[in-house]
Amino acid sequence: DAKTTQPNSMESNEEEPVHLPCNHSTISGTDYIHWYRQLPSQGPEYVIHGLTSNVNNRMASLAIAEDRKSSTLILHRATLRDAAVYYCILSGNQFYFGTGTSLTVIP
Amino acid sequence: EPEVTQTPSHQVTQMGQEVILRCVPISNHLYFYWYRQILGQKVEFLVSFYNNEISEKSEIFDDQFSVERPDGSNFTLKIRSTKLEDSAMYFCASTQTWTGVYGYTFGSGTRLTVV
Repeated sequence: DAKTTQPNSMESNEEEPVHLPCNHSTISGTDYIHWYRQLPSQGPEYVIHGLTSNVNNRMASLAIAEDRKSSTLILHRATLRDAAVYYCILSGNQFYFGTGTSLTVIP
Repeated sequence: EPEVTQTPSHQVTQMGQEVILRCVPISNHLYFYWYRQILGQKVEFLVSFYNNEISEKSEIFDDQFSVERPDGSNFTLKIRSTKLEDSAMYFCASTQTWTGVYGYTFGSGTRLTVV
């Protein structure tokens, strides 16, 4: 399965934008890029996904590099409730979770 | 918004006992999954299920594990003879197709404690 690389942790001030990077240099042409987050003691929660074009929804934006080897999840204004582990995952039947990025939001 | 429902939320069982974890996926989804997360560790894939068959399974999913869709709504994970190391959160997930066109919806999990 294609794997992703994310920083282990990041910090952001409350109400500031957050850019969470992900590298996926072995992505195949048909792989979608998915982002999920996991709040403490909860199941993974869908955030956003895309194939080639940038995507926006009510939770976040996804910026995908032209060569698709990297992507960035953008939270426009971080809130304390956004503190979670964020996972960047490439689609496939196993849907492999890496270690993700633990986001700390500072009040 | 449609949800994946898992029951029970917490199960305590004695080592060697059988447990069945239950999940009700979203009604129009066709692909179903079980994952587990040992405390403080990564979310690990166990098994995927489609058209009443296992599509893929990981090394973790050995002969002690089985899955079933006994009716049109439930999706179950059975552990035949539980071990201490089976203690973990177990998450069920479902999606319309495995290709990634659609997102996956996860349940809130069952915490299994083997004593």
